[in-house]
Amino acid sequence: DTGVSQNPRHKITKRGQNVTFRCDPISEHNRLYWYRQTLGQGPEFLTYFQNEAQLEKSRLLSDRFSAERPKGSFSTLEIQRTEQGDSAMYLCASSLGWDRGKGNQPQHFGDGTRLSIL
Amino acid sequence: AQRVTQPEKLLSVFKGAPVELKCNYSYSGSPELFWYVQYSRQRLQLLLRHISRESIKGFTADLNKGETSFHLKKPFAQEEDSAMYYCALSGRLTGGGNKLTFGTGTQLKVEL
Repeated sequence: DTGVSQNPRHKITKRGQNVTFRCDPISEHNRLYWYRQTLGQGPEFLTYFQNEAQLEKSRLLSDRFSAERPKGSFSTLEIQRTEQGDSAMYLCASSLGWDRGKGNQPQHFGDGTRLSIL
Repeated sequence: AQRVTQPEKLLSVFKGAPVELKCNYSYSGSPELFWYVQYSRQRLQLLLRHISRESIKGFTADLNKGETSFHLKKPFAQEEDSAMYYCALSGRLTGGGNKLTFGTGTQLKVEL
């Protein structure tokens, strides 16, 4: 297993265009997370899936953003009508579920998709 | 609300010197803390978590609930320790997931 895989690595687009990113988690991981990281900041939580169910969304996720995980495996994050402020690194992470002995399992991150809005 | 503060953007030490990367947190529940590291041109990866109480690559971190701190320490810095270090706090989400709240990171530079 190569770990969490994200595509594309870079995306450059004009303001107002729609973009879609893909994340393939580690195969046995049922939890999947999206984060956004801007320059000089740590990653910020966007949304969380357990299997195919989207269970939590941050207030950072405006109605222009939508995320799906249709079969509980890969996930997509779509941004409609992109704005300059959407320029950031979009990170995906996955993990196993809670373990009685170990508690919350650590999240494993992908390389991210860097979005640049012209 | 949960918050993580890393006061130093950059920490520069000489090889062989002790290292301490500071992390303070704010959380109303029982905290679960992590240190993640990002080496140049690599992805973010878990370094250690407080629940494990183990030493990884010579690094240790002790959770101090009284001071709400989780500082990362290493007695003797190595050149390969140069990287960006993020402290993160885990918070519960609906359905049992855990949201990580990250600090702004500290860039550690180990000089020869």
